[in-house]
Amino acid sequence: GAGVSQSPSNKVTEKGKDVELRCDPISGHTALYWYRQSLGQGLEFLIYFQGNSAPDKSGLPSDRFSAERTGGSVSTLTIQRTQQEDSAVYLCASSVGGRGSPGETQYFGPGTRLLVL
Amino acid sequence: AQSVTQLDSQVPVFEEAPVELRCNYSSSVSVYLFWYVQYPNQGLQLLLKYLSGSTLVKGINGFEAEFNKSQTSFHLRKPSVHISDTAEYFCAVSSNTGNQFYFGTGTSLTVIP
Repeated sequence: GAGVSQSPSNKVTEKGKDVELRCDPISGHTALYWYRQSLGQGLEFLIYFQGNSAPDKSGLPSDRFSAERTGGSVSTLTIQRTQQEDSAVYLCASSVGGRGSPGETQYFGPGTRLLVL
Repeated sequence: AQSVTQLDSQVPVFEEAPVELRCNYSSSVSVYLFWYVQYPNQGLQLLLKYLSGSTLVKGINGFEAEFNKSQTSFHLRKPSVHISDTAEYFCAVSSNTGNQFYFGTGTSLTVIP
């Protein structure tokens, strides 16, 4: 079946603009994660959605970052007033049960490469 | 909380030579351990994981890793690498309650012809 998809694959924007990044998880996966991958850094956790529960936003670096998950499926990560330090690869992952199923595999999308000029 | 350390940021190795990518973790609770691989311009995919049982875990593409609790390590090995193994490799840890996932900074493996 189809894997996790993300769009756009690349995004170039000017400092101060808002951007929206989209993630389509694998059908039937209840958990969805967003990560940020910066050069030379590991994967930085941003936000976690599980079903209809309140999301875990503890990884969002500032209030310029927000995310939604509509209908328990598609998710959008929004970065307002982008800064140059926001340049990174933003990865989305989904899994069947999420944190309620410790040890299960996360399936990753190809990422969105964001460049803020 | 847990954390993961991958000491080697870059590992060059000749084709058909063996390789070991090191991963150490810290945790005050029991953990699950993972290795993911990221090929150029792709997302991460699972290579192998340790949940319980045998400490030697075999994964895809001929990779294996050994969980060593006393040394808090989970090193990844392959006896003979191929050009196609050139990629970024990430070690990750989560508690056995799965509340949070922590990734290392990655090791870039370059296989030289």
